[in-house]
Amino acid sequence: DQQVKQNSPSLSVQEGRISILNCDYTNSMFDYFLWYKKYPAEGPTFLISISSIKDKNEDGRFTVFLNKSAKHLSLHIVPSQPGDSAVYFCAASEHSGGGADGLTFGKGTHLIIQP
Amino acid sequence: NAGVTQTPKFRILKIGQSMTLQCTQDMNHNYMYWYRQDPGMGLKLIYYSVGAGITDKGEVPNGYNVSRSTTEDFPLRLELAAPSQTSVYFCASSFVEGNYGYTFGSGTRLTVV
Repeated sequence: DQQVKQNSPSLSVQEGRISILNCDYTNSMFDYFLWYKKYPAEGPTFLISISSIKDKNEDGRFTVFLNKSAKHLSLHIVPSQPGDSAVYFCAASEHSGGGADGLTFGKGTHLIIQP
Repeated sequence: NAGVTQTPKFRILKIGQSMTLQCTQDMNHNYMYWYRQDPGMGLKLIYYSVGAGITDKGEVPNGYNVSRSTTEDFPLRLELAAPSQTSVYFCASSFVEGNYGYTFGSGTRLTVV
C-alpha cells in the first residue's frame, strides 16, 4: 500500500514555463514533507521541505504548497530551466519534531524541460 | 569535502555470494541510513543508525545486516545474495534528529544473477 503517491511518471514542460509536480499521501500522521531531486547515476539531493503547520514554503524558483485537508502537496518551479530536468521524489515523515526512522518516498516524477 | 562516499559503484554477484557495501561520511553526522531503490519505485529504508554502536531496522531489513563501529562508517552486509536484492543502494546521513535534508551518496548498483 503506497502511502506517498506520485501519479505522473513523467512531465514535459517548455523552458521558461512553470513546472508543477504533484504528490498525494494517505497517512494522516505525516507531518513533514520534502522534495528531492535526482540526476542519473547520482544520489538524491534535498530540494525543499514543508511542515504541516504551514501551507506554503518558498526558496528561490521553488515553491511547495501543502493542502492538508486534501492530503496533497505540489512543487512549483518557475521559471523552468534545462538544468531542472531530473527525477523528483516526494517524501514524507511522521516525525517532524524528532525521530530517526527515515522517510517514506514516492516513486518519482521524471521532469523533462524542453528547449 | 567529500560528503557521503559509497563503494563500489557497480557489482555483479552470483546467487548465494556475500558482499559488503561500504559507506563513509566526513561531515561528522550522527544519523546514517541505507535505502534501496528498485526500478520504477521509490526509495525504501533498509537500516538506520543514530550513532556509533546503535542500529535499527527499517522497512525492508530482511537479508541484510549493518554495523556502526565509528561515526564515519556504516557498512551494509549481504550474506546470501538473492535475485530480489538486485537494486540500487543509497547511503545517506544527517546531522541532527528530525533533519530530513539528508546528504546521499551516489549509489551502488547491484545485480544478483
